Amino acid sequence: GQNIDQPTEMTATEGAIVQINCTYQTSGFNGLFWYQQHAGEAPTFLSYNVLDGLEEKGRFSSFLSRSKGYSYLLLKELQMKDSASYLCAVRSTGFQKLVFGTGTRLLVSP
Amino acid sequence: ETGVTQTPRHLVMGMTNKKSLKCEQHLGHNAMYWYKQSAKKPLELMFVYSLEERVENNSVPSRFSPECPNSSHLFLHLHTLQPEDSALYLCASSHVRGAEGEQYFGPGTRLTVT
Repeated sequence: GQNIDQPTEMTATEGAIVQINCTYQTSGFNGLFWYQQHAGEAPTFLSYNVLDGLEEKGRFSSFLSRSKGYSYLLLKELQMKDSASYLCAVRSTGFQKLVFGTGTRLLVSP
Repeated sequence: ETGVTQTPRHLVMGMTNKKSLKCEQHLGHNAMYWYKQSAKKPLELMFVYSLEERVENNSVPSRFSPECPNSSHLFLHLHTLQPEDSALYLCASSHVRGAEGEQYFGPGTRLTVT
């Protein structure tokens, strides 16, 4: 079966660093995606990992370990606007089918 | 218009009504998707169209009927829905075989079935 686990909710303070973990068990693996979704809005693409290691994009970084079925999204220098849900998704087979986790709701406080 | 657009943004319908959701992508992509997002549940993939052919139908009830007339447009026809079908319906598009193939989402249609 397909299973993707993320914490339901996290809180952090403005200016801090937060790490959102994602573990997965899927029948195949062809890439892992992170999306950000503000309340009432569309998910927007943040990052993509297909090989082990760290991918950095400005304040956001994403890490993947395929052998452990594990990824994390690291957000640095948190801003109030980073309050949103963060969705982990695995492309298990082919190029089109994504399996999503339930998302982690991040609340950034002053 | 840029990106992926969806209309209507909000829809209230009775169980006996027939309505359609529309999605249009302006990104030159060749794959389009319908997802259902319910509270406290993961995004659920409903249908995938790749190069205008349906390649995925994720055990969706027949009261949902997709249509993809060309690579830029996608419809979801709704009839005799149930209250549990109330959810946010998201459309997305991507390249079929892009390097990353990330999906770009529209703003969604918030559907309420009464």
